[in-house]
Amino acid sequence: AQTVTQSQPEMSVQEAETVTLSCTYDTSESDYYLFWYKQPPSRQMILVIRQEAYKQQNATENRFSVNFQKAAKSFSLKISDSQLGDAAMYFCAYRVDTGTASKLTFGTGTRLQVTL
Amino acid sequence: DTGVSQDPRHKITKRGQNVTFRCDPISEHNRLYWYRQTLGQGPEFLTYFQNEAQLEKSRLLSDRFSAERPKGSFSTLEIQRTEQGDSAMYLCASSLGQTSSDTQYFGPGTRLTVL
Repeated sequence: AQTVTQSQPEMSVQEAETVTLSCTYDTSESDYYLFWYKQPPSRQMILVIRQEAYKQQNATENRFSVNFQKAAKSFSLKISDSQLGDAAMYFCAYRVDTGTASKLTFGTGTRLQVTL
Repeated sequence: DTGVSQDPRHKITKRGQNVTFRCDPISEHNRLYWYRQTLGQGPEFLTYFQNEAQLEKSRLLSDRFSAERPKGSFSTLEIQRTEQGDSAMYLCASSLGQTSSDTQYFGPGTRLTVL
């Protein structure tokens, strides 16, 4: 069974600084997708960034980038120039699409605090 | 279109009662998912529809749970004879389902409290 592990329950970063959130996963598949989702307090979950396992290049979306290490099964999220609005729960998720199996498997999340 | 919507947003019920939740996906999204999220945990997959066909059900989905998507548009999730352990946030998500890398978009969730 696939598992996703986020070993940092909470992280804190000062505004304008950079923070990295860690994620590791376990799978026997070679083709899969990895995601970071953000869940602000009392608000719905939104996609931050996505990585296809077959792509060697790390995904980037504005201030958000990932460090994808396929052999190590590691998928960390770097947030640059942190803003107060980045404060939220961040979930790492994995998905393999086999036609009938398309579910996301989530980690337990990392709560990010952004301080002035 | 404003995204995935869920109704109600909050539901308080007594143990043993039945409850039903509704999810309206983004228009033209073929895939619809239900997840459950308990405090301090990530969402856990419950079930998934491709159009009106229910293609996968988690072992978490006991016989008391049933989901439908009768016309391939909105979906309902019913819990019969609720138990205190059913208290959680129930999340719905939808995706286009046309590519292997399609993105799931989440609704705001229905928070269920079983007294």
